Amino acid sequence: GNSVTQMEGPVTLSEEAFLTINCTYTATGYPSLFWYVQYPGEGLQLLLKATKADDKGSNKGFEATYRKETTSFHLEKGSVQVSDSAVYFCAIGGGTDKLIFGTGTRLQVFP
Amino acid sequence: DTAVSQTPKYLVTQMGNDKSIKCEQNLGHDTMYWYKQDSKKFLKIMFSYNNKELIINETVPNRFSPKSPDKAHLNLHINSLELGDSAVYFCASSSRQGNSPLHFGNGTRLTVT
Repeated sequence: GNSVTQMEGPVTLSEEAFLTINCTYTATGYPSLFWYVQYPGEGLQLLLKATKADDKGSNKGFEATYRKETTSFHLEKGSVQVSDSAVYFCAIGGGTDKLIFGTGTRLQVFP
Repeated sequence: DTAVSQTPKYLVTQMGNDKSIKCEQNLGHDTMYWYKQDSKKFLKIMFSYNNKELIINETVPNRFSPKSPDKAHLNLHINSLELGDSAVYFCASSSRQGNSPLHFGNGTRLTVT
């Protein structure tokens, strides 16, 4: 079956630092890959997605590329803000397949 | 105009009680889900319904019973609550079209004492 593994947190950064949150996957078939974000006290929101190899998803300055050769979908942002503090979830699946989430990585950004 | 709304937001109850959590979506989606998030933020799917039909039922105790009166609603009833049921429960919905994202409600924090 499909699964994702993401780096443990928390990740602690200063404002304007570069962010990378690692996510690797195992898959049967050709699933989509997603990053979701959960702000305190809220449900998860889709941040970005990629539906096939070499696709790059991007949103709000965040990017992730679906890399088949390294089975990775790392989340990056060039300059984080305090408002980016949240828990980030990598996920695999979608459509008629159930979505499998990673364990989540907490990001804390300090001014 | 909340897309996925669930009630109540907080639920505190004693062991052995029976409680329900309601969920409604106004997105016109065919598929709805219940997820459980534990204290470490781990998110696990419990159930999925498509057009009122159960399509995913993970290894969940049969004390948990989902009910879908129509495709816009998926309620979760829990019998004989236990301490280990304490968690945040999220309802979500999606279109059945390929690669469609999930839309989540804001969660119901259940505390069993």
